[in-house]
Amino acid sequence: AQSVTQLGSHVSVSEGALVLLRCNYSSSVPPYLFWYVQYPNQGLQLLLKYTTGATLVKGINGFEAEFKKSETSFHLTKPSAHMSDAAEYFCAVIPRRRSNRLAFGKGNQVVVIP
Amino acid sequence: EPEVTQTPSHQVTQMGQEVILRCVPISNHLYFYWYRQILGQKVEFLVSFYNNEISEKSEIFDDQFSVERPDGSNFTLKIRSTKLEDSAMYFCASSGWGARTYEQYFGPGTRLTVT
Repeated sequence: AQSVTQLGSHVSVSEGALVLLRCNYSSSVPPYLFWYVQYPNQGLQLLLKYTTGATLVKGINGFEAEFKKSETSFHLTKPSAHMSDAAEYFCAVIPRRRSNRLAFGKGNQVVVIP
Repeated sequence: EPEVTQTPSHQVTQMGQEVILRCVPISNHLYFYWYRQILGQKVEFLVSFYNNEISEKSEIFDDQFSVERPDGSNFTLKIRSTKLEDSAMYFCASSGWGARTYEQYFGPGTRLTVT
């Protein structure tokens, strides 16, 4: 079965420091890959996605992620954290081409320290 | 900016009761979904719906669950006889067509508490 691994439920980062959230997936076929963000009392918002083409994808709010097939990874980064980045971040995959079913990781709660 | 809306935001019900969770997807979207998140666990796929029929469902989506698009705007999830383990946050999502099929837009969720 397809699985998505996000290590560390809570991630603390200082304001201005690099944000790095790791995501690894298990799949014999490269899936479609996504990062979602959830702010308090809001729905999941799509940050960025990879389906085909360039493996480094840029999303909203200064985030980017790189698909590395050899490492089965899709880590999310942002060079400089802002207080407004405090939220929960979910990595997700669509494992099969004829499916729209998203499989989610457990999420990372990001805390930004002033 | 168009968004997915869900009502109610919080529903409390007694075990064995029927509940209907309501969603209004983005108006020109064609694909509709329900997901749920039990407290402390992953967001899980329940069902997808396209062209007025279920296109895919998970093993969670048993005979207790049903979905319907009763008119041109609403998309509902019905749980016939709720169990304690149905307590979760339920998210509705929708997506467009072509390359946008894979961009799912989520609503804010309905927190269902079964007592």
